[in-house]
Amino acid sequence: EIVLTQSPGTLSLSPGERATLSCRASQSVSSSYLAWYQQKPGQAPRLLIYGASSRATGIPDRFSGSGSGTDFTLTISRLEPEDFAVYYCQQYGSSTLYTFGQGTKLEIK
Amino acid sequence: QVQLVQSGAEVKKPGSSVKVSCKASGGTFSSYAISWVRQAPGQGLEWMGRIIPILGIANYAQKFQGRVTITADKSTSTAYMELSSLRSEDTAVYYCARDLGVAGQYYFDYWGQGTLVTVSS
Repeated sequence: EIVLTQSPGTLSLSPGERATLSCRASQSVSSSYLAWYQQKPGQAPRLLIYGASSRATGIPDRFSGSGSGTDFTLTISRLEPEDFAVYYCQQYGSSTLYTFGQGTKLEIK
Repeated sequence: QVQLVQSGAEVKKPGSSVKVSCKASGGTFSSYAISWVRQAPGQGLEWMGRIIPILGIANYAQKFQGRVTITADKSTSTAYMELSSLRSEDTAVYYCARDLGVAGQYYFDYWGQGTLVTVSS
């Protein structure tokens, strides 16, 4: 089973700053199989990025994804107040079909 | 616009079972899968399994094999997740999500609102 490790666990930034979130896989993952979600308290997760770099419908262009192999990154170019949330990466594999990273909490500094 | 509406919160005794429903509207129910993901209080997301309604085939995470059963009723566009032998560690919010894996796109684009299952004696 592929394990996804997200870092940092918590990221403290101010509105307007750039956020860089990392997701590292224990084995190589096809870029087609890597997605990112945002979750706010009391809400269901929301799809942000799929295929490592494609934005989901309605997602602002300040969100971007990149990476390949075992290292993937979610970047938020200029933080808005509504971007402070928990972010999860997710991958598809052959054994356990889907696994999630443990999450990165993006908090206001 | 796809919408997934789940059944309401449940309180269950240890050792019992719970069955959560997820009714889909919009889109074509049989053209995608429904996955179930749970989230324990203050914890991350955990994939449990999925059903492909058009095939009636379910896949389960190894952790839940033998304890979870996922089914679907195509006539009502409703998916179900039943978890048995409940223990306190199963207390969580359970989400259903549209799974586009059958179309070669391995992510969840629509989610239900979540169902809180509390296991307590």
